[in-house]
Amino acid sequence: DGGITQSPKYLFRKEGQNVTLSCEQNLNHDAMYWYRQDPGQGLRLIYYSQIVNDFQKGDIAEGYSVSREKKESFPLTVTSAQKNPTAFYLCASKGGFATDTQYFGPGTRLTVL
Amino acid sequence: AQTVTQSQPEMSVQEAETVTLSCTYDTSESDYYLFWYKQPPSRQMILVIRQEAYKQQNATENRFSVNFQKAAKSFSLKISDSQLGDAAMYFCAYHILTGGGNKLTFGTGTQLKVEL
Repeated sequence: DGGITQSPKYLFRKEGQNVTLSCEQNLNHDAMYWYRQDPGQGLRLIYYSQIVNDFQKGDIAEGYSVSREKKESFPLTVTSAQKNPTAFYLCASKGGFATDTQYFGPGTRLTVL
Repeated sequence: AQTVTQSQPEMSVQEAETVTLSCTYDTSESDYYLFWYKQPPSRQMILVIRQEAYKQQNATENRFSVNFQKAAKSFSLKISDSQLGDAAMYFCAYHILTGGGNKLTFGTGTQLKVEL
């Protein structure tokens, strides 16, 4: 089946540790995105990548890092510098520049203990 | 700043009735797309309907339709014949076509409850 997978579904980490969230897509989409969702708020963009080996900061990039070494993969690392990392993280992808619709993965719930 | 406003944090509708969710947005761009996404308890974001800003005709998708008023920067979602499965958080969003990094800007959502 074509789609976007995120793993794990639930993730727990101790304060001060880095953690990496996985996002894989087999839709052959060029662009990929990471969003953060907090209670009572809409989604906020963390990082995005329009092409392999290139990515840009979104609105709330501080404390996060990404890589885009392969077209199908866009992992997000939540570093210890992120002040309040407990949140729901959603990955999305979109076809080429001329297309408009983003499709989302099932999300990862990160809890910092 | 480009923003999306959903002024109704919660809405309720009786099964089989019609409900309208409101959304206003603010952008200086002329070319953009508008979207409604649904987020059920599973938290998977599901595309409900999309509208190109250059089209005057309102988009429809089965029981879902929009009322797009470009001058007023309004984009409401109408759900007809509401079903229990429609209960979810609904997010309005837009995506500009020039610059902006192809990113979606979201509203804060409207929680829709469907009652028997």
